[in-house]
Amino acid sequence: GDSVTQMEGPVTLSEEAFLTINCTYTATGYPSLFWYVQYPGEGLQLLLKATKADDKGSNKGFEATYRKETTSFHLEKGSVQVSDSAVYFCALSAPGYDYKLSFGAGTTVTVRA
Amino acid sequence: SAVISQKPSRDICQRGTSLTIQCQVDSQVTMMFWYRQQPGQSLTLIATANQGSEATYESGFVIDKFPISRPNLTFSTLTVSNMSPEDSSIYLCSVDQGGLGNTIYFGEGSWLTVV
Repeated sequence: GDSVTQMEGPVTLSEEAFLTINCTYTATGYPSLFWYVQYPGEGLQLLLKATKADDKGSNKGFEATYRKETTSFHLEKGSVQVSDSAVYFCALSAPGYDYKLSFGAGTTVTVRA
Repeated sequence: SAVISQKPSRDICQRGTSLTIQCQVDSQVTMMFWYRQQPGQSLTLIATANQGSEATYESGFVIDKFPISRPNLTFSTLTVSNMSPEDSSIYLCSVDQGGLGNTIYFGEGSWLTVV
């Protein structure tokens, strides 16, 4: 079945550091890929998405590129802020499965001033 | 993006009772989903709710424990029945706004604590 493997956390960074969270997937067909963010005490927010190979999703300084050849969708940000401290979830939605989302385990990111 | 409202946002429930969570969307959507997030864990799909049909439950979840209603294209409810402390979780409503699996939004979640 479809699955998402996400980099284990927690990740602790200093402000202005470069952030990468690795995400790889297994799916039949051509899934849509997502990054969601969950700030402390809040629900899930859609951070960015990509719906086909080589698409780049971007939002709030974060980027991720849909790489079909490596089945990856790594999240990057060039200069993190304290306000980026959150849990980040990689997810996929595969056609033929009623577009249910399969989530990675989540990566907790803490940014220190 | 779709605006999804969930009620209650938080609640403390007594063991053995049941609680119904409401999910209201500001636009008509075909597919709605209910997820559970146990403390410190990722999200697990409970069921898919389409208007006019019975909800489809994932393995490990049953209708008697988590009955779902979907009376129209903008509203759904999830009931957590006969609660135990193990049901303490965040319950999240989700919608596929575009209907193609590429525009999926979540409500703020309902944070339930069972004592």
